[in-house]
Amino acid sequence: NAGVMQNPRHLVRRRGQEARLRCSPMKGHSHVYWYRQLPEEGLKFMVYLQKENIIDESGMPKERFSAEFPKEGPSILRIQQVVRGDSAAYFCASSLEGTGLSGNTIYFGEGSWLTVV
Amino acid sequence: SQQGEEDPQALSIQEGENATMNCSYKTSINNLQWYRQNSGRGLVHLILIRSNEREKHSGRLRVTLDTSKKSSSLLITASRAADTASYFCATDASGTYKYIFGTGTRLKVLA
Repeated sequence: NAGVMQNPRHLVRRRGQEARLRCSPMKGHSHVYWYRQLPEEGLKFMVYLQKENIIDESGMPKERFSAEFPKEGPSILRIQQVVRGDSAAYFCASSLEGTGLSGNTIYFGEGSWLTVV
Repeated sequence: SQQGEEDPQALSIQEGENATMNCSYKTSINNLQWYRQNSGRGLVHLILIRSNEREKHSGRLRVTLDTSKKSSSLLITASRAADTASYFCATDASGTYKYIFGTGTRLKVLA
């Protein structure tokens, strides 16, 4: 999983500021997933993207959150006007193909820890 | 919605003992995966088991899957202090492409 690169590892933002989290998938992977983890909890699915397309954003809050995976460059998870409740670890994962019958493993990055003060 | 639930939530054992963690899920699946997470770190993939498989091994790890009971178990044999971590199961509901995680089992192996 060392191949999925996330930055920054730690980010502190004041309420109302914007947070941008970046994720470079493993080499050759074109499928990216974002998850959020609150302390002492499991991971909650947020969004699934392929290059230039959002496939499923059903787990992402309707307001203030957005994600993209451009043709060139990393995937970005953007949180506008952050609030204290946004404090969490945000994990990016990637896979060679989409999951499903093929049973592709998804590999995780080390996460980005967002603290809103 | 919560797809996977691990049991127990916390487990404390002595080094050398075996650790068994269980995962139950609600809907039919294509695959089930187990991950380990050390405190403050990302998730490390352990084993993927497909819905048509019943058991898989990897080193000291043994995973079983019972689709009739919608449950899976992870057995760690001869545990070591370094196995101390949280363990999560993740399932992809049939017809979807996203993995849903349970709340995890926090394993503590005492030296």
